[in-house]
Amino acid sequence: IVLTQSPLALPVTPGEPASISCRSSQSLLHSNGYNYLDWYLQKPGQSPQLLISLGSNRAPGVPDRFSGSGSGTDFTLKISRVEAEDVGVYYCTQDVELPLTFGGGTKVEIK
Amino acid sequence: ELQQSGPGLVKPSQTLSLTCAISGDSVSSNRAIWNWIRQSPSRGLEWLGRTYYRSKWFNDYAASMKGRITVTADTSNDQFSLQLNSVTPEDTAVYYCARVGRPDDYPRWVWGKGTTVTVSS
Repeated sequence: IVLTQSPLALPVTPGEPASISCRSSQSLLHSNGYNYLDWYLQKPGQSPQLLISLGSNRAPGVPDRFSGSGSGTDFTLKISRVEAEDVGVYYCTQDVELPLTFGGGTKVEIK
Repeated sequence: ELQQSGPGLVKPSQTLSLTCAISGDSVSSNRAIWNWIRQSPSRGLEWLGRTYYRSKWFNDYAASMKGRITVTADTSNDQFSLQLNSVTPEDTAVYYCARVGRPDDYPRWVWGKGTTVTVSS
């Protein structure tokens, strides 16, 4: 399964919203009703940190300005009001089918 | 929590060996799958393989790794390991261990901090 993220780079203004798209070459909807699509943020020098699980479930401690939506093959990560600490590379990943695969990443930077 | 250990430098043609120690869970849990993932500038994030227990042990490996990779569980010490044989400089990467649980687990994914492995003579 190929995951295609867009844009590749996203300059953002603090306080403004931001949106990242992840499109899958196959449906990520499992027979159990869950979409097996997760979102991560990787800050420089750190391991990826889970933001959103199963398409729309925020991970523990993740601010509510982050939200995930979508189903099947089209997914979106939204940041309602970007803060300076949100810079880094965002990845989507799927585990509905082996091999697990990752999107190419979207680099978010402050304008 | 997952605590990784292993050498940061491996010579070409030798075997890369990493271990991931588990705390707060059991490697034999029937709710968890234990994964190895790596990241390099040239290949991005790449899933390597996994092990899990469902009345017996199962393993799955990335096709690109087959023949070189082994992921094993150590139930005595609640840890799991990665062995990658015949390494080349292309295997230079940050290696992560990660646990994935069931949909109702919160969080569903937990990652180790990563181990930087350089393949060089």
